[in-house]
Amino acid sequence: DAGVIQSPRHEVTEMGQEVTLRCKPISGHDYLFWYRQTMMRGLELLIYFNNNVPIDDSGMPEDRFSAKMPNASFSTLKIQPSEPRDSAVYFCASSRFQGATGNTIYFGEGSWLTVV
Amino acid sequence: GQSLEQPSEVTAVEGAIVQINCTYQTSGFYGLSWYQQHDGGAPTFLSYNALDGLEETGRFSSFLSRSDSYGYLLLQELQMKDSASYFCAVRASGGSYIPTFGRGTSLIVHP
Repeated sequence: DAGVIQSPRHEVTEMGQEVTLRCKPISGHDYLFWYRQTMMRGLELLIYFNNNVPIDDSGMPEDRFSAKMPNASFSTLKIQPSEPRDSAVYFCASSRFQGATGNTIYFGEGSWLTVV
Repeated sequence: GQSLEQPSEVTAVEGAIVQINCTYQTSGFYGLSWYQQHDGGAPTFLSYNALDGLEETGRFSSFLSRSDSYGYLLLQELQMKDSASYFCAVRASGGSYIPTFGRGTSLIVHP
């Protein structure tokens, strides 16, 4: 399998612009996660989906952020309007629930977002 | 809620052994994972402990004590390529079994 695929890898945008990050999870995985990583806050879970349904979006910082998963092989994270404080690495990740044996999460390479 | 504590930075020399500790507070503990992340890269899974004791995978071992809410990652025969950040992550019923990550420990290996 190709792993979790994210695009774009790098994005530089101006404040106020809309940003859309895309993710293709590993085939057969029923969980999809969006994380944000910064030096100040570490690795934060923004939202996760189970079988394409959003389960917990309590980590989404504010209404400017939205995420969708229209089907099992695609998800988007949108920021509108973007602000400089949104600059971070955004990771998409997927997993298959494994019960007591674990819940290994497979991360994409990340989308490096800079808002100027 | 859940919380995890791990040192922010650890340094060691090549060939040495280093231990990275992780303490956690959670309700309904289920398991503890460890992930490695090189600069500019993605976190990758290293190990998972659901039961007390030591799990060994090559040069890396992970230990768990559920009664002490404590675990550690042990890296032996350190190599320069082991310089990376290491995250512990806890699964718990209080978190719907979704791993919650610690802030990470930056391991710096010197020649």
